[in-house]
Amino acid sequence: SQKIEQNSEALNIQEGKTATLTCNYTNYSPAYLQWYRQDPGRGPVFLLLIRENEKEKRKERLKVTFDTTLKQSLFHITASQPADSATYLCAPPNSGYSTLTFGKGTMLLVSP
Amino acid sequence: DAGVIQSPRHEVTEMGQEVTLRCKPISGHNSLFWYRQTMMRGLELLIYFNNNVPIDDSGMPEDRFSAKMPNASFSTLKIQPSEPRDSAVYFCASSFGNGGNYEQYFGPGTRLTVT
Repeated sequence: SQKIEQNSEALNIQEGKTATLTCNYTNYSPAYLQWYRQDPGRGPVFLLLIRENEKEKRKERLKVTFDTTLKQSLFHITASQPADSATYLCAPPNSGYSTLTFGKGTMLLVSP
Repeated sequence: DAGVIQSPRHEVTEMGQEVTLRCKPISGHNSLFWYRQTMMRGLELLIYFNNNVPIDDSGMPEDRFSAKMPNASFSTLKIQPSEPRDSAVYFCASSFGNGGNYEQYFGPGTRLTVT
């Protein structure tokens, strides 16, 4: 069955640096992948969707890449701010493309 | 729009009791999802409705769980009888389209504690 792996250890970085989070998937090749942000006590919030033919997508300080050969998506936040501290979830579709399958997420902590 | 609305926000109940969680999706959205989130297992899909019809309930843990969507603006998730292992945060989400390529809008969640 499909497997999604995100680094379970929190990523600690200093304000102003670039944060890079990794999402690896195995046993299938999704045509697209979504990224969500989740703050404590709240539901996930959609950030970006990237398709397999896009390779890279940007939104303000966010950048997502999608390497179908490596079966990996990278999520970058440039010029990070303490307000970026949250858990980030990657979500490729399930094998039937009817819903999403969420990774467990990586917590990002940006210190001033 | 008020977003996805869930109630109650917190529920504490004793083992064996019936629990009903409620969700109002965003108006105009035709897909509704129920998820359960725990530290151990992350965010798991329980059931998915499209146009009020259950499409995929393979994530429902067992017969103690049931979900309904009587109309486009209301859904319930019921646990009967509840057990301590059901303690988790339950999220409802809705989306405009049918499929994994549509962004999902999540509610604030219901934190369920079963003692």
